[in-house]
Amino acid sequence: GEDVEQSLFLSVREGDSSVINCTYTDSSSTYLYWYKQEPGAGLQLLTYIFSNMDMKQDQRLTVLLNKKDKHLSLRIADTQTGDSAIYFCAENRSGGYNKLIFGAGTRLAVHP
Amino acid sequence: DAGVIQSPRHEVTEMGQEVTLRCKPISGHNSLFWYRQTMMRGLELLIYFNNNVPIDDSGMPEDRFSAKMPNASFSTLKIQPSEPRDSAVYFCASSFSNEQFFGPGTRLTVL
Repeated sequence: GEDVEQSLFLSVREGDSSVINCTYTDSSSTYLYWYKQEPGAGLQLLTYIFSNMDMKQDQRLTVLLNKKDKHLSLRIADTQTGDSAIYFCAENRSGGYNKLIFGAGTRLAVHP
Repeated sequence: DAGVIQSPRHEVTEMGQEVTLRCKPISGHNSLFWYRQTMMRGLELLIYFNNNVPIDDSGMPEDRFSAKMPNASFSTLKIQPSEPRDSAVYFCASSFSNEQFFGPGTRLTVL
């Protein structure tokens, strides 16, 4: 169906690693994205991965892609309180333009 | 760069009134998207413009909603007449290639 699925909530201790998981639906999606939304703000593009890649690292962020299982994950190393936000994964559905389908978002809570 | 600019940031109106939301995309971007975010339905794409032309409006809920892009630097989303179920945060996003950049959103409350 249409759904990109994410767990709704994750709680981690400051300094630990966070892993946010996502499953998507369209095996022909070219790019997969992670966005961050802080309260009252718009969506901030964090990173994205091209579908022919398995992994992408960008400072504290690591994206892993398993195309066979249509599984995407975002790992945040050394999680800080400023990382508390809602994280959305998105896939671009094939169909001629970059139409993004978003998951429901995972709320990350970082506690001391 | 100022990023995507949306106005107003907050709008409170009464049922039946006309509402107009505005968006200025990032200069040089040729694609513009309007999204709606609610707790129940998450983020939904309403309409997509490419080079000022509406390409996909399949997400527009009903005829009360209309969107225009008269030039490359301005777009509007209009709801007439508005209803309480239209209460949501409306986002505009623009892109040039595969990255979409979002504005801060307009929080609409229809009483």
